[in-house]
Amino acid sequence: EPEVTQTPSHQVTQMGQEVILRCVPISNHLYFYWYRQILGQKVEFLVSFYNNEISEKSEIFDDQFSVERPDGSNFTLKIRSTKLEDSAMYFCASSDWGRVADEFFGPGTRLTVL
Amino acid sequence: DQQVKQNSPSLSVQEGRISILNCDYTNSMFDYFLWYKKYPAEGPTFLISISSIKDKNEDGRFTVFLNKSAKHLSLHIVPSQPGDSAVYFCAASGGGSNYKLTFGKGTLLTVNP
Repeated sequence: EPEVTQTPSHQVTQMGQEVILRCVPISNHLYFYWYRQILGQKVEFLVSFYNNEISEKSEIFDDQFSVERPDGSNFTLKIRSTKLEDSAMYFCASSDWGRVADEFFGPGTRLTVL
Repeated sequence: DQQVKQNSPSLSVQEGRISILNCDYTNSMFDYFLWYKKYPAEGPTFLISISSIKDKNEDGRFTVFLNKSAKHLSLHIVPSQPGDSAVYFCAASGGGSNYKLTFGKGTLLTVNP
């Protein structure tokens, strides 16, 4: 069964450093998403991406965040200068027709900012 | 700003009995509701959904009920099995956004053998 994959599974970084979280969506999917879950809190929407541009973003997704689809398979989330409060699980998701029920989630990357 | 609320952080049920997970929402523009299941070290997986034009949707052991006037939905699992033990997230979409899911905090369901 096709699945969304994410690397690394755990990333530890120093405050102020840049991190890039990587995702490989399901191959025929066209819509891509990032969500995050701070420990003990709800899963929060960050951004959606379609046709090589951001289609929607939340207030969390400020100038420190960027997304990119550098090639035909990867979808990345970059945090330019990490803060302690960026520590969270980051989930990538993808869907084919943009219907929310069709969003397939990856296993997540745990980001720890020290 | 908790637009989707799951007020029970945990629920423990005996195998074979019914599990009822509850969810409330505040945004009346939500028109599509979903339940996700999450095991440790995995991402959320879609379980069942319901459109706001319906009040019930059933899929095998899983049934979702929607009470729009009360802005309340519930997930029933009958009979519960130990493999159902996981965190269950309620999520909603709509209100002008086709892509964004708004999640609740989740309920940890433990089904005891």
